[in-house]
Amino acid sequence: NAGVMQNPRHLVRRRGQEARLRCSPMKGHSHVYWYRQLPEEGLKFMVYLQKENIIDESGMPKERFSAEFPKEGPSILRIQQVVRGDSAAYFCASSQGVPSSYNEQFFGPGTRLTVL
Amino acid sequence: DAKTTQPNSMESNEEEPVHLPCNHSTISGTDYIHWYRQLPSQGPEYVIHGLTSNVNNRMASLAIAEDRKSSTLILHRATLRDAAVYYCILRDIQGSARQLTFGSGTQLTVLP
Repeated sequence: NAGVMQNPRHLVRRRGQEARLRCSPMKGHSHVYWYRQLPEEGLKFMVYLQKENIIDESGMPKERFSAEFPKEGPSILRIQQVVRGDSAAYFCASSQGVPSSYNEQFFGPGTRLTVL
Repeated sequence: DAKTTQPNSMESNEEEPVHLPCNHSTISGTDYIHWYRQLPSQGPEYVIHGLTSNVNNRMASLAIAEDRKSSTLILHRATLRDAAVYYCILRDIQGSARQLTFGSGTQLTVLP
């Protein structure tokens, strides 16, 4: 009964490189959320996806960031041409069924991105 | 979602009860009160949620004021493993937003 899995746990990139963060939701969950936590701050919502669809990307920066959740395989958060300000912990969460106020979200351990 | 206000930090002694307050004076009738916590270097985890009545589960209890403008998360016997940031979050059951809106939370320190 594995929980939400994220990899890699730690990722180091140089400025200008691409970062790919992966998230495998809990078994039976078809809804995925990505959050970003900057140092010493709370989590901020980025994007909400269902299989093959982006439902809400209102928290996603307009440039360089993209997300997908294909029919098969994990959800991917992609950051192109990373800058130092992208250094943060990126958390993925999943939930089952139709999200509502009483469906809890299960979080993964996060990917800590460091941009040199 | 309506805004919540929590103290920045609290301390507790091990094996004593802890009462973590949350003010949400602009709560609407369809807002659920959720609590999540984030242990050091981990992702958040669900603790408890409620609407109007007090709630108990294996982790904690949630006491909701009669006017619903405030609530208190109760850890009955704090352990060192309970040291974490605790987030009080409102979610509108009728709202279109699906995500959780995290504030700054309360950093709980448990003293041995």
